[in-house]
Amino acid sequence: NAGVTQTPKFRVLKTGQSMTLLCAQDMNHEYMYWYRQDPGMGLRLIHYSVGEGTTAKGEVPDGYNVSRLKKQNFLLGLESAAPSQTSVYFCASRGTSSSEQFFGPGTRLTVL
Amino acid sequence: RKEVEQDPGPFNVPEGATVAFNCTYSNSASQSFFWYRQDCRKEPKLLMSVYSSGNEDGRFTAQLNRASQYISLLIRDSKLSDSATYLCVVNMYDYGQNFVFGPGTRLSVLP
Repeated sequence: NAGVTQTPKFRVLKTGQSMTLLCAQDMNHEYMYWYRQDPGMGLRLIHYSVGEGTTAKGEVPDGYNVSRLKKQNFLLGLESAAPSQTSVYFCASRGTSSSEQFFGPGTRLTVL
Repeated sequence: RKEVEQDPGPFNVPEGATVAFNCTYSNSASQSFFWYRQDCRKEPKLLMSVYSSGNEDGRFTAQLNRASQYISLLIRDSKLSDSATYLCVVNMYDYGQNFVFGPGTRLSVLP
């Protein structure tokens, strides 16, 4: 089992460029989450999904879109990157019978 | 006021020391509580859930005080490998979606 994987691991963008971050899990988990982590702040929830085909906004959704076309994948899109989106992005998943979240290794994104 | 606040740290302690971290949360409707551990430049991993009666896992003890909206984590006999950032996490509903993370407290255990 790979658990939760994220691609890419690192990325540098210019302001205005777009990109998609991919999260994949092989644990058959229903719930998936995208967080961002900035220095001195806790992880903040961007979007989440409670199942295939469903998504919902979290605490800081502006500037991001998501899709969950397959149960194992959760995509995070940046349509027009801004320097304020420079951060470390973590994906997580969890099953329906547990409150434990399993995190991916993170994507370090820099927007110039 | 932030929803979840933690001791700012960092805590620098010698090997073998006992260290305690505190966490407070603002939403009295919060239902479930956790401590996660995050190593430098790595992903968070669940250390332990926190139960109302308090719970222990080896050298780690977690306590919850609902009246004061306060959670603690005690680490006894600190090891070098305990060096990490400890994240307090609060959830409003059992198995709900809104997991709120504190900013973390960094611990360095020194030889």
